[in-house]
Order: sequence, then C-alpha cells, then structure tokens
Amino acid sequence: SAVISQKPSRDICQRGTSLTIQCQVDSQVTMMFWYRQQPGQSLTLIATANQGSEATYESGFVIDKFPISRPNLTFSTLTVSNMSPEDSSIYLCSVEKNQGSYTFGSGTRLTVV
Amino acid sequence: ELKVEQNPLFLSMQEGKNYTIYCNYSTTSDRLYWYRQDPGKSLESLFVLLSNGAVKQEGRLMASLDTKARLSTLHITAAVHDLSATYFCAVDKADKLIFGTGTRLQVFP
Repeated sequence: SAVISQKPSRDICQRGTSLTIQCQVDSQVTMMFWYRQQPGQSLTLIATANQGSEATYESGFVIDKFPISRPNLTFSTLTVSNMSPEDSSIYLCSVEKNQGSYTFGSGTRLTVV
Repeated sequence: ELKVEQNPLFLSMQEGKNYTIYCNYSTTSDRLYWYRQDPGKSLESLFVLLSNGAVKQEGRLMASLDTKARLSTLHITAAVHDLSATYFCAVDKADKLIFGTGTRLQVFP
C-alpha cells in the first residue's frame, strides 16, 4: 500500500486566517481524497482531487472555503480558508493505491481560536 | 444518498467477553472496509471485504459481509484491553469511501 506524508500534524490558528495542509504520496495515484473529522465524529468526505482537473466537492463543501490543488500524481494540498472555531477538526488525506486498498495520512489536528 | 449506520455507537465490555458490531448501509455496494482509530491517531485498515459472503479473521477480530442484506459485522472474541479504540466501517460507492458513524469500544478488566 502507499505511504502518505501529511503535514502539519497539528496547528493552532487565529480565526480569519487560512491554513494549507500538504499530502505527499510515495507513488503515483490517480485520485486523492480529503476528509474532515469533527471532534468525536466520523469522517466526512470533503472532496476528491484528480490531477489535471478541478476537485469534485461533496455536498456542503465549497471551493472558496476549501480550495484544493493537485499539481501532480503524488502531491495535493487542502486549504482551510477564513477559519472559524467551527473548522476545528482533524483533516485527513487518503489515496486508493490498488483496487480495494485505501490508505490514510496521519492527519492534521486543527484548532481555531 | 448512501447512509452507513453502525450500532452500537458505544460499547463497554469486560475482558474475555464476546460481542458484535453491526454496520448497515442503504444502497448497493460490493466493497466494505473496517478501520480502527486510536485516540489522536489516523486510521488503521483492518479488513477489506470484496464480495458477498466474505469472511476475514485477524486475531480476535472477524469481519463478514452480506451484500444482499447490506450488512457487515465485526465480531470480537475474548476481548482484551488493547482492543479499546473506535471502529469504523466504510462503504465504497463510486470510488469513494463513505464512513459509518463509528463504534467506540472500551474494554475493561
């Protein structure tokens, strides 16, 4: 399975600012996924990022709030824009390397104050 | 819209006991996953179930899939404290994972 390096692992940010989270994969993958896990909750898919095209966002998530870049087949970023305390969550990236195999990054624990 | 529900949401069980976590989903899917998450950590893959009737076992955990009933189970045999964690099932729909609500398992002596 793929190995994902995600950073930062955690951050404390002021409201109104933005944070960019990076995910680097050790091999080329077609799709990368970004999830949000609010405190004590399950994982919710934010968007799917394909290289060379705009990300596909799930219901309730918009590009202005969560812009995503996918410049190549091994790297993606998620930005959390104009943050508020409600954005405090764990954000995780994921890839499907082989059919039926999904791997997750170590997560970014974001606290907005 | 695909819904994935787990029960129970919280499970407190004594070491040595057996129990089953249930995962129900609302639309057709042939792939189901079980993950474990320790507090403050990411997700660890436990099982991938790819077909109806699939059964997989690893240590004290056994997972099964019934695609006709849209049901998966995660059975815990003779629980030990190290199994304390949150367990998620996830259904693959259109090449993306939709997660269940999670079951927080606490095993006590």
